[in-house]
Amino acid sequence: DAGVTQSPTHLIKTRGQQVTLRCSPKSGHDTVSWYQQALGQGPQFIFQYYEEEERQRGNFPDRFSGHQFPNYSSELNVNALLLGDSALYLCASSSARAGETQYFGPGTRLLVL
Amino acid sequence: KQEVTQIPAALSVPEGENLVLNCSFTDSAIYNLQWFRQDPGKGLTSLLLIQSSQREQTSGRLNASLDKSSGRSTLYIAASQPGDSATYLCAVPVGSEKLVFGKGTKLTVNP
Repeated sequence: DAGVTQSPTHLIKTRGQQVTLRCSPKSGHDTVSWYQQALGQGPQFIFQYYEEEERQRGNFPDRFSGHQFPNYSSELNVNALLLGDSALYLCASSSARAGETQYFGPGTRLLVL
Repeated sequence: KQEVTQIPAALSVPEGENLVLNCSFTDSAIYNLQWFRQDPGKGLTSLLLIQSSQREQTSGRLNASLDKSSGRSTLYIAASQPGDSATYLCAVPVGSEKLVFGKGTKLTVNP
């Protein structure tokens, strides 16, 4: 079992650009959550996807959008990048049926210049 | 609104010491609390999950306690080792969708 995987591991973009981050959930999981972790802070919830729909959203602007595919993998898209979007982006997966805890991937480090 | 606070923000101890990390939360209506470990620039590794019906959970040298009524949890690390150096985060669920995290305690264990 590969666990939760994320790609790419690192990314450098410039202000105004758009970025897409990818996540594959742990085998057997159908729910994917995305978190943003700024340096020295705890992770902040962005949104969660279940059955290809956004289930709940944190306090993030519409520049942050996502998608879940039929195979349960997910993408996080960020448009019009700002310097403040530089962070570690973490994906977590879980099983809605089991109601168990979330398992986290290794993250994608995004640097916006 | 649930808020999670961790004290201290950073801790440096010599190898072999026993230590306690603290976590407090404002809304006691939680159904579990989780402790995570994070190595620099890496993802989160779950250490212990305490259900609201439990008071303690143990894994090896780690022991976590939960007191819902006072809104507190502690993570006890026995006989600390340099390999324990990392940031330790606690988190509580809000609804079934999201986890709310503290800012973490950065632990350094000196050989």
